[in-house]
Amino acid sequence: GQQLNQSPQSMFIQEGEDVSMNCTSSSIFNTWLWYKQDPGEGPVLLIALYKAGELTSNGRLTAQFGITRKDSFLNISASIPSDVGIYFCAGQKIQGAQKLVFGQGTRLTINP
Amino acid sequence: EAGVAQSPRYKIIEKRQSVAFWCNPISGHATLYWYQQILGQGPKLLIQFQNNGVVDDSQLPKDRFSAERLKGVDSTLKIQPAKLEDSAVYLCASSGDSTGFLLYEQYFGPGTRLTVT
Repeated sequence: GQQLNQSPQSMFIQEGEDVSMNCTSSSIFNTWLWYKQDPGEGPVLLIALYKAGELTSNGRLTAQFGITRKDSFLNISASIPSDVGIYFCAGQKIQGAQKLVFGQGTRLTINP
Repeated sequence: EAGVAQSPRYKIIEKRQSVAFWCNPISGHATLYWYQQILGQGPKLLIQFQNNGVVDDSQLPKDRFSAERLKGVDSTLKIQPAKLEDSAVYLCASSGDSTGFLLYEQYFGPGTRLTVT
């Protein structure tokens, strides 16, 4: 089925460093969502993007909806230990209560 | 506002047995989703309900999986009989807020981790 390509698959960084990850697709999506999942928990919504070119921030997190509608980026500034987890991008082809297509996830590990 | 509730949190069964998972969505959310998340992968949609009607069940293995949302609120997902490859986390999500702004955003429950031995 439809798959989003998320990279990198894993990251090992030092506390305080900035983080960048991205998600690409061969298809156009009209909504991009970024989630974080901690072990044993469900994904938690971080940022939602609705318009091509949109840049949205949530604290130290910033995400962008690519102009081509085929990609999205998530940046985390000044990482802290609680940022550890798996980050998923998800896209919706049609805005509304339609199914999400998820990327494979980026596992973030932070060395204190 | 209470989040999406799921139970049980963990379940271990033998292959060929049956199992059921329960989900209660966020109050007022019309749309409910069941996802399967295999270890190391992103969630994959199994079935989507709008109120008590099925909108999308194209990826639901209907020979063994079934789901219902009889009163348009909580939902049950059943597997009968279970196979080894059904070992996964089963996530329930809901969307649709009366204010409209959050209409397109899905909120997930903690999931049920199923192990089939």
